Amino acid sequence: DAKTTQPPSMDCAEGRAANLPCNHSTISGNEYVYWYRQIHSQGPQYIIHGLKNNETNEMASLIITEDRKSSTLILPHATLRDTAVYYCIVRVLIIQGAQKLVFGQGTRLTINP
Amino acid sequence: AAGVIQSPRHLIKEKRETATLKCYPIPRHDTVYWYQQGPGQDPQFLISFYEKMQSDKGSIPDRFSAQQFSDYHSELNMSSLELGDSALYFCASSLEWANTDTQYFGPGTRLTVL
Repeated sequence: DAKTTQPPSMDCAEGRAANLPCNHSTISGNEYVYWYRQIHSQGPQYIIHGLKNNETNEMASLIITEDRKSSTLILPHATLRDTAVYYCIVRVLIIQGAQKLVFGQGTRLTINP
Repeated sequence: AAGVIQSPRHLIKEKRETATLKCYPIPRHDTVYWYQQGPGQDPQFLISFYEKMQSDKGSIPDRFSAQQFSDYHSELNMSSLELGDSALYFCASSLEWANTDTQYFGPGTRLTVL
């Protein structure tokens, strides 16, 4: 799986959009970009994933550059409950198989009141 | 919606004792993963099972073993516990036969070895 690079920490004001970048310059054509977050010692929570098109769900938006070498997770209106470590993970999607998640250091996002 | 269930949530053991952690996946999910997260560290993959067969193995000590049962629940057995085994242990489940394999995590078991 391709390696990802994320800033170790970021701050954002409550109510503003939080934009979390991720570099994955060695990503392969069949590798997806996944985002998870972990709120203090809780189980990692799935946020969103995508291959090459931008994706949006009720939690966030994922913007993937055209060359797929980087992506940005956007939390449109951050709240204090969004304070967490955010992990960007690149992995192959395997049908009828099990593909582990390889967690890097992640970005510690702090939402300030 | 039903989530992944892990039991117990907290476990305290002495060195050299044995521990068994249980994981009940989301209904209809056929794949289970185990991860270990030491203090201040990121989660690390241990082992996974797809349709009751071991599918992948990470840095899991030989003292640890795991299996997935016919009802798809899984158990992680840890013997000869060491102080360094103190960690959070997460189980995740996914539905692999469909074209989505998003892993959903349980709340974790906090194991403390004294």
